[in-house]
Amino acid sequence: EIVLTQSPGTLSLSPGEKATLSCRASQGFSSTYLAWYQQRPGQTPRLLIYGASSRAPGVPDRFSGSGSGTDFTLTISKLEPEDFAVYYCQQCADSPYTFGQGTKVEIK
Amino acid sequence: QVQLQEPGPRLLKPSGTLSLTCAVSDASININNWWTWVRQTPEKGLEWLGEISPTGATNYNPSLRSRLTISVDKSKDQFSLRLTSVTATDTAVYYCAREAGGGKLDHWGQGALVTVSP
Repeated sequence: EIVLTQSPGTLSLSPGEKATLSCRASQGFSSTYLAWYQQRPGQTPRLLIYGASSRAPGVPDRFSGSGSGTDFTLTISKLEPEDFAVYYCQQCADSPYTFGQGTKVEIK
Repeated sequence: QVQLQEPGPRLLKPSGTLSLTCAVSDASININNWWTWVRQTPEKGLEWLGEISPTGATNYNPSLRSRLTISVDKSKDQFSLRLTSVTATDTAVYYCAREAGGGKLDHWGQGALVTVSP
C-alpha cells in the first residue's frame, strides 16, 4: 500500500499569503494518478487538482499543483477567506487508493 | 451536473450489516466511469473502501474485503455498499463518488453518517 504523508499538519497563515502544502509518497508513481481535494468545514471533499497539476473545472488559478515521483506540492498563491480548509492528496496509481492525512490551512 | 444522493443517518448495532445505496442523477451509471465508496473518521481521515465498474467489476480495499460488497443496479442508476459484522470502528461518514479518468473523484455525494453503537 502506498502511504501518503502530508506536511505540515497545520499551516497558520493570513489572507493574501502564499500556502505551500507537501504530499510525500512511500513509493513513486506516475503523476497522472495524484489528486488534491479541498474540504471546508461541514462540507464534502471537492476535487481541486488532478494529474498532479491540472485544475478541475471551476477551480481558481491561484491553486496550482506540481511534482513527480514521490514528492508533490499544492500551492495557493494568495489565500482568500474561502481557502481556509483542509486539503488532502490522494493516489490512484495502486490499489488501495490512499489519501494523505490532510493539511489544515487556518487563519493566523 | 452529475449528482449523487445518499440516504440519511443510520444507527446500527455491533455485528449488524450496513447497507447504503447511492442514486446517480443527471448521468448514466452505464457510461465509462467507475463508482466509489469512501468513508471519513476523525481518527483515520479519508479511507477509500472500494469501487465498481458499470459491468460489475469490483476492486476492494484489502482491509475490508472479507466484509464488503459493492454492487450496481444499472436499471435504477444506483450503486450500493454492504458491510457486514460492523463494529464501533465502522462509525464514519460514508461518501459515494464518481471516479473519472485517472482515478480522480470528481463528484461526491453529501455523505451519510453511520453510527455503530450498542
